[in-house]
Amino acid sequence: GAVVSQHPSWVICKSGTSVKIECRSLDFQATTMFWYRQFPKQSLMLMATSNEGSKATYEQGVEKDKFLINHASLTLSTLTVTSAHPEDSSFYICSARRTSGRVNEQFFGPGTRLTVL
Amino acid sequence: QKEVEQNSGPLSVPEGAIASLNCTYSDRGSQSFFWYRQYSGKSPELIMFIYSNGDKEDGRFTAQLNKASQYVSLLIRDSQPSDSATYLCAVNLFKASGTYKYIFGTGTRLKVLA
Repeated sequence: GAVVSQHPSWVICKSGTSVKIECRSLDFQATTMFWYRQFPKQSLMLMATSNEGSKATYEQGVEKDKFLINHASLTLSTLTVTSAHPEDSSFYICSARRTSGRVNEQFFGPGTRLTVL
Repeated sequence: QKEVEQNSGPLSVPEGAIASLNCTYSDRGSQSFFWYRQYSGKSPELIMFIYSNGDKEDGRFTAQLNKASQYVSLLIRDSQPSDSATYLCAVNLFKASGTYKYIFGTGTRLKVLA
């Protein structure tokens, strides 16, 4: 499989601060990356689709001004949680899409656990 | 009806048995199908994908696809305690807008009993 990294793996921050999470595809180019959030014992929730060189597409109910996404290169997408609050504490997971023939595979990063105090 | 449905489980099987995980989907335009494994506190890991009707085998795993019945399953042979995890089914479909959409099921929790 392909390798996707995320940094940091965990972060603790104070309420009101901003946190940036990086997602990198290490051995392939990804024109599309995805950002998910997962609360304990719940399923993955897609937040947004990040497209290289264009604006991200946000899912319904996700505030684009709060969750800023930048996909500046074919191997890097960033998610910035602005003015974080305790309810933003969650497990944030990115994934990158790799096209193999007729199949679009999606590979996940290891996730970033965010705790907002 | 949910777009991708899975029984939440837990599905308990004894060590060495075959675990059978099922998934149904609603959109007949779905093109490819994926199985992921997610351990508690970790991110999902791709096990395998399938896009043609029939069976596809990879080691102890076999994916089965039946597009007419709109279901996809994953069989795990010789189940081990280390297979205990949540298994996510995902469907990839091509939308009229020209974009692809992935839809995940909520996952089935598998427990392999030693």
